[in-house]
Amino acid sequence: GESVGLHLPTLSVQEGDNSIINCAYSNSASDYFIWYKQESGKGPQFIIDIRSNMDKRQGQRVTVLLNKTVKHLSLQIAATQPGDSAVYFCAEATGGNAGNMLTFGGGTRLMVKP
Amino acid sequence: EPEVTQTPSHQVTQMGQEVILRCVPISNHLYFYWYRQILGQKVEFLVSFYNNEISEKSEIFDDQFSVERPDGSNFTLKIRSTKLEDSAMYFCASSPLIRGYTFGSGTRLTVV
Repeated sequence: GESVGLHLPTLSVQEGDNSIINCAYSNSASDYFIWYKQESGKGPQFIIDIRSNMDKRQGQRVTVLLNKTVKHLSLQIAATQPGDSAVYFCAEATGGNAGNMLTFGGGTRLMVKP
Repeated sequence: EPEVTQTPSHQVTQMGQEVILRCVPISNHLYFYWYRQILGQKVEFLVSFYNNEISEKSEIFDDQFSVERPDGSNFTLKIRSTKLEDSAMYFCASSPLIRGYTFGSGTRLTVV
């Protein structure tokens, strides 16, 4: 299920380091954003979300930052582990209502070196 | 943890044949979705479904596609006459609201 990634940006980090994955979104009306992790042969797995009335949200080992001025979203992973190796997608939605479509970004491949 | 279940995991079909992809959403979810991911490309929205009708669909979701909730547990995507370019991973998802959006593991459709 993952993107083969012939043109997929790749971030390579050492185990234990922090990772920062970036995403530029296009729709200034988007008000809800999600980061997904996709491992080989699996569907997108929810990591963390944020609404546009916030600029930062923290989870367990992950932080999402939202800069609406420049339409930029980032995912920070603390103390990156080999199990974090996957393709990471940001997704955006408008309206915040159920049933609204998610628009996915192109993805970034994270490779964690032991 | 509740899961969205999709069957089959891999479907091979001849061009022009009809296929039905099956999904069992999470039981207390009300909104259901189909997305697809062509190899090497982004995940793309196809359709959302609520209260037994389509609530939103993309340009991809043309007359060859249809969705159905035939009973209280299954949610299906039918492609009437498959084309080579329909080859992709098809993901079902469900949500109680827009938060809590959960994807299944996908069905890999290969049209030959």
